[in-house]
Amino acid sequence: RKEVEQDPGPFNVPEGATVAFNCTYSNSASQSFFWYRQDCRKEPKLLMSVYSSGNEDGRFTAQLNRASQYISLLIRDSKLSDSATYLCVVNAGGTSYGKLTFGQGTILTVHP
Amino acid sequence: EAQVTQNPRYLITVTGKKLTVTCSQNMNHEYMSWYRQDPGLGLRQIYYSMNVEVTDKGDVPEGYKVSRKEKRNFPLILESPSPNQTSLYFCASSSHGTKYNEQFFGPGTRLTVL
Repeated sequence: RKEVEQDPGPFNVPEGATVAFNCTYSNSASQSFFWYRQDCRKEPKLLMSVYSSGNEDGRFTAQLNRASQYISLLIRDSKLSDSATYLCVVNAGGTSYGKLTFGQGTILTVHP
Repeated sequence: EAQVTQNPRYLITVTGKKLTVTCSQNMNHEYMSWYRQDPGLGLRQIYYSMNVEVTDKGDVPEGYKVSRKEKRNFPLILESPSPNQTSLYFCASSSHGTKYNEQFFGPGTRLTVL
């Protein structure tokens, strides 16, 4: 089993749609969770950190389920500009919390 | 402007010819890291550094070396590059480790080893 798994997609949705991505992780000691966004051939950029209680930033909502070891990202009212690859990132936890594992990424295409 | 810079941005080289990819950040970040990105495999961590003179292996350290003699610089060294090290490389930095802090990535270095 991969340490961090994502459905690679692609997800093709119309503008205005709501879309959700899940990501599962295998290391129960992981303490920090993130969603990054990567545009084609560009560097990844932080979209959101994911907190235990869940958190929202505008149209984006992130959730963490420690019992089932998954995190999710919900995008509401999708915009064309949301088209990108979304990367789930998990740290190793414990004394190795600097060790990060990225998921393969989920490709999202928002069309008119 | 706060940024992470990498040089070179593009490099074509031949097997066995030692090379160094430089990474520098101007944000006084303690943490720096190197990743490679390959189609179908995503980003994989090569090495990371929690602070000056402290480095640790990531998931794919074989064939690479790093050093952290100064806070701002974290060069990636390929002593004897091989074709399987052809990849897109990213350097990143963040403050106080990565527990809750944003990682800032450099623009990437596209390396081809013939």
